[in-house]
Amino acid sequence: GESVGLHLPTLSVQEGDNSIINCAYSNSASDYFIWYKQESGKGPQFIIDIRSNMDKRQGQRVTVLLNKTVKHLSLQIAATQPGDSAVYFCAENGNRDDKIIFGKGTRLHILP
Amino acid sequence: DAGVIQSPRHEVTEMGQEVTLRCKPISGHDYLFWYRQTMMRGLELLIYFNNNVPIDDSGMPEDRFSAKMPNASFSTLKIQPSEPRDSAVYFCASSLGQGGETQYFGPGTRLLVL
Repeated sequence: GESVGLHLPTLSVQEGDNSIINCAYSNSASDYFIWYKQESGKGPQFIIDIRSNMDKRQGQRVTVLLNKTVKHLSLQIAATQPGDSAVYFCAENGNRDDKIIFGKGTRLHILP
Repeated sequence: DAGVIQSPRHEVTEMGQEVTLRCKPISGHDYLFWYRQTMMRGLELLIYFNNNVPIDDSGMPEDRFSAKMPNASFSTLKIQPSEPRDSAVYFCASSLGQGGETQYFGPGTRLLVL
């Protein structure tokens, strides 16, 4: 999907709980997917990526799940911390050219 | 590596003035991308380069915008003349290899055109 920032969906999570951020991607030809984190006043920062030959990949406290059947991507953050507050973007390589396509973004809000 | 470097970090200018944004990509990265981010439109790709050559400028809003990459370690995005609707955060990103891969973003330039 194209990135349109008119209204960002917001996910509010209690500190210490797990967060799950979902993304529906648009192009069935995409074979590479990336999650970015953007904190206030900063540029998007790479978190984790996954290729289409995998359905799960784990990093430090983060896990990305890929369901190609329904074109769905999710980011799971374990034991959410205040520092996880940010906008999270999924991105896909769509047409397999040099560009990546960013999703709309989801704002993660951590409750004390 | 210091990551992608952008300057200035903040720019306030008056309508009609020329604005030049600068970017130094990560050393060794072959691809450089310019994005614009606004609340209304989100993150938009303006133009990207491969080995200093512009590949796709279809995202450039209009002729007032131009970008150059004279060498592998430097790129500029110029707006002339600037307009209030150009107010946004402009990001530069670079990536290694064949593109469509992980892009590393700079801190952005926050532009305000009065």
